[in-house]
Amino acid sequence: DSGVTQTPKHLITATGQRVTLRCSPRSGDLSVYWYQQSLDQGLQFLIQYYNGEERAKGNILERFSAQQFPDLHSELNLSSLELGDSALYFCASSVVPTGGRGTGELFFGEGSRLTVL
Amino acid sequence: TQLLEQSPQFLSIQEGENLTVYCNSSSVFSSLQWYRQEPGEGPVLLVTVVTGGEVKKLKRLTFQFGDARKDSSLHITAAQPGDTGLYLCAGASGSARQLTFGSGTQLTVLP
Repeated sequence: DSGVTQTPKHLITATGQRVTLRCSPRSGDLSVYWYQQSLDQGLQFLIQYYNGEERAKGNILERFSAQQFPDLHSELNLSSLELGDSALYFCASSVVPTGGRGTGELFFGEGSRLTVL
Repeated sequence: TQLLEQSPQFLSIQEGENLTVYCNSSSVFSSLQWYRQEPGEGPVLLVTVVTGGEVKKLKRLTFQFGDARKDSSLHITAAQPGDTGLYLCAGASGSARQLTFGSGTQLTVLP
């Protein structure tokens, strides 16, 4: 158990719909990350938050948005869903933000598997 | 964009064999990590290397960071079925506030 909790574990929805994925980081971790994992593209970085503020942005589509709340939990909102959005979405947390020699361990949740039909 | 290429993409071997997985990039990284991911779970950190030429051993696993800090390798001695999983390398640099993951090597160790 990594200590990172993601809900829901599985989600099936239709094209054009909107879903929200939720993540509770490990106790004390200020940094939260969202990654997308699909069969043909590996683990793709979407976005990072540190103590409520956006710190880094990766290949996140404009249809996607995220935020980190004062209690440090984070939500990833996916809208106007397309078939290609079907993937595993991972949340991770860490004590210190990534980047440089000081990069520490990322603790990943079990992921939310999104299926768009 | 910093890219990490892993090879081979798939590897299936018999229990007891040795194997090496490679992680290569044209970019220099300040540190490089290796994670292992099992089905239905998120990746779990195995090791972090930060110094060019560094070698770290974790039981039967040996990790090496290239002298130029652009590449890394993972060598497993006497592989066991429990080593089965997706091995991911991930690079961090001071200029990029993100951890870039390789595409992964799916290892299957047959009993």
